[in-house]
Amino acid sequence: DVQMTQSPSSLSASVGDRVTITCRASETISKFLNWYQQKPGKAPKLLISGASSLQTGVPSRFSGSGSGTDFTLTIRGLQPEDFATYYCQQSFSTTYTFGQGTKLEVK
Amino acid sequence: QVQLRESGPGLVKSSQTLSLTCAVSGASIISGDYHWSWVRQSPGKGLEWIGYIYHSGRAYYNPSLSSRVNMSIDTSSNRISLHLSPMTAADTAVYFCARGLRLFGMDVWGPGTTVSVSS
Repeated sequence: DVQMTQSPSSLSASVGDRVTITCRASETISKFLNWYQQKPGKAPKLLISGASSLQTGVPSRFSGSGSGTDFTLTIRGLQPEDFATYYCQQSFSTTYTFGQGTKLEVK
Repeated sequence: QVQLRESGPGLVKSSQTLSLTCAVSGASIISGDYHWSWVRQSPGKGLEWIGYIYHSGRAYYNPSLSSRVNMSIDTSSNRISLHLSPMTAADTAVYFCARGLRLFGMDVWGPGTTVSVSS
């Protein structure tokens, strides 16, 4: 199985801050890396696919980068609605795996 | 637009079989190269991918669950089903279905259905 490791597991930040979440794969996954945002009691929402392609309607303050084994999700100019939990997910292998999640909290 | 909605029993007894259905509206499940996934989330925990199925019926499962899980697809009713057996307390979770493309992630999700396992 491809294991996905996210860091940090939690993060405190303020509105307007720039934050970066990292996801590392246990083996190379090319650019088959997706990022999701989940708010309490809600289904996950796809933000970025293919490591860096922003989904339609997702604000441009979100960006993704990376390939191979190391990936990042960056949020520039945090907004109140961005405080949530973020997950990476690989789709390189036919059996998918999620990272353990990063909870972004208000400082 | 495409919408998914999960349904099933909210409570299942330990050792029994869980059967969930995901109804797809707004699109045919046989259109395009989409696969249809099940993902679950235990209370206070992260997301766990269970498996996905194509309209051809070909399915891929999480190796940790593969001995207990089966998915099926009903093209006539535009529904996907998940069967998990035997259930244990560790299977208590919110179960989501989602549409996806391998290169483009899972872009449409149902609201989820809560399943509790009782002894």
